Amino acid sequence: QKEVEQNSGPLSVPEGAIASLNCTYSDRVSQSFFWYRQYSGKSPELIMSIYSNGDKEDGRFTAQLNKASQYVSLLIRDSQPSDSATYLCAVRSGNTGKLIFGQGTTLQVKP
Amino acid sequence: GAVVSQHPSWVICKSGTSVKIECRSLDFQATTMFWYRQFPKQSLMLMATSNEGSKATYEQGVEKDKFLINHASLTLSTLTVTSAHPEDSSFYICSARGLSRDSSYNEQFFGPGTRLTVL
Repeated sequence: QKEVEQNSGPLSVPEGAIASLNCTYSDRVSQSFFWYRQYSGKSPELIMSIYSNGDKEDGRFTAQLNKASQYVSLLIRDSQPSDSATYLCAVRSGNTGKLIFGQGTTLQVKP
Repeated sequence: GAVVSQHPSWVICKSGTSVKIECRSLDFQATTMFWYRQFPKQSLMLMATSNEGSKATYEQGVEKDKFLINHASLTLSTLTVTSAHPEDSSFYICSARGLSRDSSYNEQFFGPGTRLTVL
């Protein structure tokens, strides 16, 4: 089992729809969770961090964390073509402090 | 968020030469800096972790004598690719971890990356 798992996609949604990106992780002692967006040919950009169970909203983005289920998700409301990118889920290892990345989910928002 | 700069953004060099890449945290002090490499359509690969004033810790399989890392201050880390060869051509990305203005947690921010092409 990979430490951080994401569906590689592509996930295709129409413009204006809600995009739902999911991630599961194996390290039960992890306390910090992140979503990064990476456009093709660019470096990752931190868009959300979440540290406690529940929802955290920032603009069109909502991160959801369920530590009991070892599950973290990212919802993008009113998806725009400019949201088309690869979204990386990252979990900070409870042992090493390093970020463990998932493979990333490619999101395509079609006009 | 916080700003991490990286220089140069791209470099083309001849085989056998050395290339130095600088990474700076511009508006926060980075307790730890990381260097990643990413090949096309592949995931980020962590190369090494460095703390200011300490020797870098390299990931398994990464040659420390080939990829020299210096973390001179809380805002500057450098990666030198020594005797570069075509197989070292890749996208090198630094990342800095520290407290940003917007958060009370240590978060990790990435520089824009350096695209290295070795001829």
